[in-house]
Amino acid sequence: QVQLVQSGAEEKKPGASVKVSCKASGYTFATYAIHWVRQAPGQRPEWMAWINTGNGNTKYSQKFQGRLTITSDTSASTAYMELGSLRSEDTAVYYCVREAIWMDVWGQGTTVTVSS
Amino acid sequence: QTVVTQEPSLTVSPGGTVTLTCASSTGAVTSGYYPNWFQQKPGQAPRALIYSTSNKHSWTPARFSGSLLGGKAALTLSGVQPEDEAEYYCLLYYGGAQPHWVFGGGTKLTVL
Repeated sequence: QVQLVQSGAEEKKPGASVKVSCKASGYTFATYAIHWVRQAPGQRPEWMAWINTGNGNTKYSQKFQGRLTITSDTSASTAYMELGSLRSEDTAVYYCVREAIWMDVWGQGTTVTVSS
Repeated sequence: QTVVTQEPSLTVSPGGTVTLTCASSTGAVTSGYYPNWFQQKPGQAPRALIYSTSNKHSWTPARFSGSLLGGKAALTLSGVQPEDEAEYYCLLYYGGAQPHWVFGGGTKLTVL
């Protein structure tokens, strides 16, 4: 079945970077785009970025421009999200989401905690 | 900054019908915003229910339906079940020079 499996929880200091991976299975990875969405505790989900896994084209939320990079590796069927200059407000669960029929399949989420 | 607004909370009796709405600060929501609806239970990832206003995913129960109502996107649950108690989020797509997606603030649905 279609699955997105994300890397494990991370704890980071302010100012550091974090890289989260998202491995796809059950479908041809390069066929569908991937979104990255985060959700801070008790808050609404927040769209961060989108990548066309077939050609690498990306779209970013203006909020994260300059400190967010998303990439994909079709040979590994894996997407990556790297967020830099972390601050406490970046503490959240980060999700990768497949876009086959809009945002149809979600990863299990990766908790990123930013604390000194 | 675009804001998408939902009712913070609603309560419905088992077997009843309830409609959740989703409004945009930019004006009336149309099909061009491709409204999506998601259900989220505590400790779980959101689960997609509705896309492009009214289309159901293969796993979406028949009691869920989407529409446009009075300038808003709407999600109607008919014959509510106890397991429908959850947070519901809408998602709107904003095209143009800087395409982006915005989630609503969520509606906490209580089945009581």
